Amino acid sequence: DQQVKQNSPSLSVQEGRISILNCDYTNSMFDYFLWYKKYPAEGPTFLISISSIKDKNEDGRFTVFLNKSAKHLSLHIVPSQPGDSAVYFCAASGANSKLTFGKGITLSVRP
Amino acid sequence: EAGVAQSPRYKIIEKRQSVAFWCNPISGHATLYWYQQILGQGPKLLIQFQNNGVVDDSQLPKDRFSAERLKGVDSTLKIQPAKLEDSAVYLCASSPWLADGNTEAFFGQGTRLTVV
Repeated sequence: DQQVKQNSPSLSVQEGRISILNCDYTNSMFDYFLWYKKYPAEGPTFLISISSIKDKNEDGRFTVFLNKSAKHLSLHIVPSQPGDSAVYFCAASGANSKLTFGKGITLSVRP
Repeated sequence: EAGVAQSPRYKIIEKRQSVAFWCNPISGHATLYWYQQILGQGPKLLIQFQNNGVVDDSQLPKDRFSAERLKGVDSTLKIQPAKLEDSAVYLCASSPWLADGNTEAFFGQGTRLTVV
């Protein structure tokens, strides 16, 4: 039973354009959502998060949007840069800080 | 600030052998996680510790996997005996404890296990 779903395995965008990475969840008890970035042979690194009491959180080029009624969140990267090429994981947690991850999406930013 | 330390980085063993992984979390972090990441999938939680107590081990295959966090600091994860399907990257992560649970976890580089 996959509680956090990233349905697209990959995304390719041109440098300078917007990257939009999507994530859906099924567990209504999740109240904190995170995005992690992972390069090959490294562990995931935290990118940005959002609490369920908000619908948007912005940090530089990265913005996360949360639509609680649709159980959907998205990560926007503007402008995209070649160094953003990596695997991005969506994760969600509830009261016990247990993080549940999606399968990840591979982002490729073309120069 | 030192990050999460894991060792070894790589391990190759034959099936039915045993193996152990070690993790030292960020100093002061009360919560420690072990995740298994199979190629092409997201990390799957095996066990979560709060200090030296287990919070969640519902997805830990207890017939072959064991983990401990003595003294609430570093932790070891053991597999005995290993199966081919245990080939994966084993990630350790830690986070500070917050009452509302809204905190990010910091990951180590992982141990890549290959069972042949």
